[in-house]
Amino acid sequence: GEDVEQSLFLSVREGDSSVINCTYTDSSSTYLYWYKQEPGAGLQLLTYIFSNMDMKQDQRLTVLLNKKDKHLSLRIADTQTGDSAIYFCAEILSGGSYIPTFGRGTSLIVHP
Amino acid sequence: DGGITQSPKYLFRKEGQNVTLSCEQNLNHDAMYWYRQDPGQGLRLIYYSQIVNDFQKGDIAEGYSVSREKKESFPLTVTSAQKNPTAFYLCASSDDSRYEQYFGPGTRLTVT
Repeated sequence: GEDVEQSLFLSVREGDSSVINCTYTDSSSTYLYWYKQEPGAGLQLLTYIFSNMDMKQDQRLTVLLNKKDKHLSLRIADTQTGDSAIYFCAEILSGGSYIPTFGRGTSLIVHP
Repeated sequence: DGGITQSPKYLFRKEGQNVTLSCEQNLNHDAMYWYRQDPGQGLRLIYYSQIVNDFQKGDIAEGYSVSREKKESFPLTVTSAQKNPTAFYLCASSDDSRYEQYFGPGTRLTVT
């Protein structure tokens, strides 16, 4: 079966970089996503990466994919207090129902 | 503007009552989903529908029911059989290109 694992908490100082890590177990994942959830709100798609890519950059966000280790990371440069939220990674398997499997989420706390 | 709406934002019910949560989307997506989120937990899939008039059970369907009579609407009924219904409920929809999910703002249900 598939499982997606994330550490539960990350605390950083404002202005530093944040790196949120995710490990997935199924090498046939096709699409990998990062979502952000602010308190009391729904999830918002931040970025995605296809399994045939190693890296994707979008403004302050950098996604790195290590297929050999089944490791996905999200780097947020110049982290701001508004980045404080829960970040979920998710994978979709090729040839399946295309329903994503979500990690439990990493709570990012940004302090001044 | 296209998006997903859920209503109401907060819902209070007495134990033993059924309650229906609304989810509407105008994104023209075929697939819709219902998730439950408990504090410190990830997302757990309740039901999903990939096409009108068809739906499938997710991981925790017991005590819940859905209908999909229109493409735009996917209401969720929390029945009195659900043993622990107090939670945050999220509705989502997805297209069939990158399969990324678009989430509504959520409904927080409290049953006392």
